[in-house]
Amino acid sequence: EAQVTQNPRYLITVTGKKLTVTCSQNMNHEYMSWYRQDPGLGLRQIYYSMNVEVTDKGDVPEGYKVSRKEKRNFPLILESPSPNQTSLYFCASRFLGGYEQYFGPGTRLTVT
Amino acid sequence: DQQVKQNSPSLSVQEGRISILNCDYTNSMFDYFLWYKKYPAEGPTFLISISSIKDKNEDGRFTVFLNKSAKHLSLHIVPSQPGDSAVYFCAASVWANDMRFGAGTRLTVKP
Repeated sequence: EAQVTQNPRYLITVTGKKLTVTCSQNMNHEYMSWYRQDPGLGLRQIYYSMNVEVTDKGDVPEGYKVSRKEKRNFPLILESPSPNQTSLYFCASRFLGGYEQYFGPGTRLTVT
Repeated sequence: DQQVKQNSPSLSVQEGRISILNCDYTNSMFDYFLWYKKYPAEGPTFLISISSIKDKNEDGRFTVFLNKSAKHLSLHIVPSQPGDSAVYFCAASVWANDMRFGAGTRLTVKP
């Protein structure tokens, strides 16, 4: 089954404790991205990657890091989480040059 | 700077009637528009799209209309069904890059 998986689905953590949210896709997509969804703001792009070892900032990259060492994986790293990073996070992937993105199920992160 | 705006946070319609969800955009360079549907505890899923060279695209009960001069697009669902109850996101893109999403409209279809 073609899918994008994210782990964990829910995470409660404390300020400053490093965390990683994993994302994996099995569709051989070149393009992967991370979004956060906040009330009234819709989905805002954090980082994206057009292929292995190629990453770039989206609209709201501050406080986040990513890496793309393998085509299928695109982890999101919060080195020192803060309460304003409490949000619902989605990983997505698509073919380069295509428009339709496939989204993961989301990770709800709470930083206290 | 929200380049894609969905001004109605919610919409409620009766089963069998038409649902019309609206979306406005400011960037005239957008060349492709998409609608995504999102159920609770799931990620958004692609619903329907339209290229800027067209003004209408149909897929079963779903039709998207694009008015480039007004920078406005709409999604029509006819007839609406209770299973259509979800949050709908409008999205717009320039050359498959830099996709922008609206804030979403929560549709409730009442039986």
